[in-house]
Amino acid sequence: DAGVTQSPTHLIKTRGQQVTLRCSPISGHKSVSWYQQVLGQGPQFIFQYYEKEERGRGNFPDRFSARQFPNYSSELNVNALLLGDSALYLCASSLADRAGNTIYFGEGSWLTVV
Amino acid sequence: GNSVTQMEGPVTLSEEAFLTINCTYTATGYPSLFWYVQYPGEGLQLLLKATKADDKGSNKGFEATYRKETTSFHLEKGSVQVSDSAVYFCALSDRDGGATNKLIFGTGTLLAVQP
Repeated sequence: DAGVTQSPTHLIKTRGQQVTLRCSPISGHKSVSWYQQVLGQGPQFIFQYYEKEERGRGNFPDRFSARQFPNYSSELNVNALLLGDSALYLCASSLADRAGNTIYFGEGSWLTVV
Repeated sequence: GNSVTQMEGPVTLSEEAFLTINCTYTATGYPSLFWYVQYPGEGLQLLLKATKADDKGSNKGFEATYRKETTSFHLEKGSVQVSDSAVYFCALSDRDGGATNKLIFGTGTLLAVQP
């Protein structure tokens, strides 16, 4: 079975531009989360979605937004890119939304802002 | 709030040496605990998990025991291989700010195993 898949794998954007990252969860998983991992640090929680509803948001500015589609895939959008947004963006899925459910990660999308 | 503290790296070992990576946590309630591994240029892979006190998670020769009394979840392996070289992250599950299942990660520990 396919794991969590993300696209694109690498991209370069200019400051002020907008970016959309895409994610398909493991088949049957209804909860999708997004994390940002800056080089040398642990991943930081951005959003969680379950059944197309936002269930939680981390400490990120409103330039970050996301949505989940009826097929449970998800998009992360970042507007007005800053140099500090350069990071690995990880999508993760889990079967349900209960705390402790195992969360599985994709390979990530490497975003470089120049 | 809840948090995870990991020993700083890098940890450099020779092949077949014993590995311990320390992890302690601060949490209200009884979160599930996880170890994830990240190989160079890749995403995170679940290594093992434990859901309640005294549980032992194990996988690929790695082990960690959920110790409520010391709020710890140290990762151990009896004999490391060069292929174990990676960054290891300790994490706990959390329900916070509306999120029903999110992870809080430590800063990661780089393990380098030399032949």
